[in-house]
Amino acid sequence: RKEVEQDPGPFNVPEGATVAFNCTYSNSASQSFFWYRQDCRKEPKLLMSVYSSGNEDGRFTAQLNRASQYISLLIRDSKLSDSATYLCAVNPGGFPSGGYNKLIFGAGTRLAVHP
Amino acid sequence: DAGITQSPRHKVTETGTPVTLRCHQTENHRYMYWYRQDPGHGLRLIHYSYGVKDTDKGEVSDGYSVSRSKTEDFLLTLESATSSQTSVYFCAISEPLAESYEQYFGPGTRLTVT
Repeated sequence: RKEVEQDPGPFNVPEGATVAFNCTYSNSASQSFFWYRQDCRKEPKLLMSVYSSGNEDGRFTAQLNRASQYISLLIRDSKLSDSATYLCAVNPGGFPSGGYNKLIFGAGTRLAVHP
Repeated sequence: DAGITQSPRHKVTETGTPVTLRCHQTENHRYMYWYRQDPGHGLRLIHYSYGVKDTDKGEVSDGYSVSRSKTEDFLLTLESATSSQTSVYFCAISEPLAESYEQYFGPGTRLTVT
């Protein structure tokens, strides 16, 4: 089983729709979670960080379910410009002494928003 | 946008040749990372650095070496390139604070080994 798993999609939705992606993780000790957005042939860009139960930023809401070990990303009122691949990332162990920041990435979920 | 540049942005090389990719940051972040991204695999960590001359291996380090002689520069070397190393390579930086573990990525280098 992969440490971080995502449905690859693609999710094809019309403009204005609400869409949700899930990301499951295997390490129950994981401390922090992130959603990145990646446009075709571009670098991943940080979309949201999730340190407690959830986070909201405009049309985007991220939620964490520790009991079931998944995080979700909800996009409301989808725009054409939301079309991209969404990567989730998990810090598997918090901040060990000596400190390094390791993230494990899922393979991404592709979203296509159409008119 | 985070001040991260990568060079070259594109490179085609032949099997067996050495290749060095450079990552340069202007953010003075302590941590730097090299990832490769391949279809179906997502981003996989090759090597990372937690300070000048302090580096360690990631999950796919075989065939790669790194060096960090200055805070701002992190070099990735393929000693003898193979076709399996054809990929997109991303550099990332991070400055871990209390509970902040975000990483920020450079624009990537597209490497083709023929």
